[in-house]
Amino acid sequence: KAGVTQTPRYLIKTRGQQVTLSCSPISGHRSVSWYQQTPGQGLQFLFEYFSETQRNKGNFPGRFSGRQFSNSRSEMNVSTLELGDSALYLCASSSNTGNGREQYFGPGTRLTVT
Amino acid sequence: ILNVEQSPQSLHVQEGDSTNFTCSFPSSNFYALHWYRWETAKSPEALFVMTLNGDEKKKGRISATLNTKEGYSYLYIKGSQPEDSATYLCAYGSSNTGKLIFGQGTTLQVKP
Repeated sequence: KAGVTQTPRYLIKTRGQQVTLSCSPISGHRSVSWYQQTPGQGLQFLFEYFSETQRNKGNFPGRFSGRQFSNSRSEMNVSTLELGDSALYLCASSSNTGNGREQYFGPGTRLTVT
Repeated sequence: ILNVEQSPQSLHVQEGDSTNFTCSFPSSNFYALHWYRWETAKSPEALFVMTLNGDEKKKGRISATLNTKEGYSYLYIKGSQPEDSATYLCAYGSSNTGKLIFGQGTTLQVKP
């Protein structure tokens, strides 16, 4: 089976712009979770989508949003970028939802905001 | 505020040494505890998902134990090899939310 893929792998944006990141889960997986990784904060949960519905959301401002399509592919969007949004964004897919789910991570998108 | 603490923050060992790290988490509303290995320039890789108090899991030279009553899990690596060099992350899931809370990780470096 192909693994989780994320595009693009690297991205440079300017403050105030918006960005859309994409995640394609493992075939058959219906849950996609998004995480932000920064040196000071570690891996932080952004949100989880399961069967096109947002199941859970982390403590991030409304500038961070996401969606999931019928083929389980997911996108996350960050509007009005700030310097502090520079981070590695990881998505992870699972066959199921809930905290007992085993997650398979993608390679991440490295976002730099200048 | 739910806190997941990992110790030590980093560890340097010689090839062949056995080592262990700790993950501390809230003991209330426990649902699951995950361990991941994250090698540089790769994706985090799931090692174990543990849900029951007293659980012990093993994969090759790596094993983990779980104590949900006191809120800790140990990860053991027997006979460390250079390829074990990575950051080891634990993540706690409560029964009240669907989100996993990650610790800051323990970075292991194994010298040949």
